[in-house]
Amino acid sequence: GENVEQHPSTLSVQEGDSAVIKCTYSDSASNYFPWYKQELGKRPQLIIDIRSNVGEKKDQRIAVTLNKTAKHFSLHITETQPEDSAVYFCAATRPDNYGQNFVFGPGTRLSVLP
Amino acid sequence: NAGVTQTPKFQVLKTGQSMTLQCAQDMNHNSMYWYRQDPGMGLRLIYYSASEGTTDKGEVPNGYNVSRLNKREFSLRLESAAPSQTSVYFCASSGRGGNQPQHFGDGTRLSIL
Repeated sequence: GENVEQHPSTLSVQEGDSAVIKCTYSDSASNYFPWYKQELGKRPQLIIDIRSNVGEKKDQRIAVTLNKTAKHFSLHITETQPEDSAVYFCAATRPDNYGQNFVFGPGTRLSVLP
Repeated sequence: NAGVTQTPKFQVLKTGQSMTLQCAQDMNHNSMYWYRQDPGMGLRLIYYSASEGTTDKGEVPNGYNVSRLNKREFSLRLESAAPSQTSVYFCASSGRGGNQPQHFGDGTRLSIL
């Protein structure tokens, strides 16, 4: 089955710097890769996702890149702000995964220092 | 538009007690899920329901049962609570197909003494 690894497990950056979180997956049939942000005590919320027919997707300060050949995808946050501090989870799933679970990565705790 | 609603938000139980966590979604989603999240940890799937009338075990199903009451509602039952089941429980739902995002409820914080 699918296995998703996520690095780093913790990341501290200065406000205004960029942050990059990388995930690797094992199942070449996976074609959907969402990223979730979870603030302390809150629910995970989808912040961006990418499907395997594109290599990059941007939404304001966040972007996701996908390398299907190498089976990895990355979250990029530019001009980080204190409110970006949270735990970020990546996930991967297959197109035939009807109703089945995503495979989530273990999470990255991002701290943005003022 | 409420999305995914979970009740209760907090609960304290004694070992051996039973209870049911409720989840309802108003997005007309086919699939629903129950996860647990222990402190500082990721999400672990307990059970899921691909569609109304079907349920399947996830990664950590022992000690739990589920019911997909209708398309909107998916409940999680602890028959005999144990301290190891102290956790935050999240319900989620998604549209048909494996490449749809999951939408999460606010969670139920459950403590078992």
